Amino acid sequence: NAGVTQTPKFQVLKTGQSMTLQCAQDMNHEYMSWYRQDPGMGLRLIHYSVGAGITDQGEVPNGYNVSRSTTEDFPLRLLSAAPSQTSVYFCASSGGRNNQPQHFGDGTRLSIL
Amino acid sequence: GDSVTQMEGPVTLSEEAFLTINCTYTATGYPSLFWYVQYPGEGLQLLLKATKADDKGSNKGFEATYRKETTSFHLEKGSVQVSDSAVYFCALRGAAGNKLTFGGGTRVLVKP
Repeated sequence: NAGVTQTPKFQVLKTGQSMTLQCAQDMNHEYMSWYRQDPGMGLRLIHYSVGAGITDQGEVPNGYNVSRSTTEDFPLRLLSAAPSQTSVYFCASSGGRNNQPQHFGDGTRLSIL
Repeated sequence: GDSVTQMEGPVTLSEEAFLTINCTYTATGYPSLFWYVQYPGEGLQLLLKATKADDKGSNKGFEATYRKETTSFHLEKGSVQVSDSAVYFCALRGAAGNKLTFGGGTRVLVKP
């Protein structure tokens, strides 16, 4: 059971470059989300989706785009990378009921030079 | 809006010591509460949860009780091991929706 799979695990970009962080889950979960983790700040929600075709902004959405064309995939796009986006990014998914826990991927460590 | 406050670390302990990590929250309605653990180089794993007042979540020797009167969800373990060294996150999910709100995380280091 793969759970939540994130690729790549590590990436270094130059300022202004674009890239897509991939996230896939095989649990048929309706809810998926992206967080960034910065020292001393816990995890902050970037974008989330409650099902295919539906996305919404979280706490820190600026500089990021998402789409949800299938239940399984929820890619995160950086259109023009900035040094402030250096962080560790986590994707998570959960079932539809409110008390279901979220399952996290192993993270993508992204550095913007 | 919803918020979670947990004690800052790092917390350094000797093996077999008692561990407490304080967590308090602010939320409307009746949130679900969670503790997640992050081992070095890994993602977050659910440690335990509680979905209503007075519920006690437990797992791997860790316990936390949902205290609505004090809006708290403190994590405790009676005898820690070196393998418990990790970062621990308290989180809540509001009554509506699936969004999680996290505390800042507490790094725990257990020395032999």
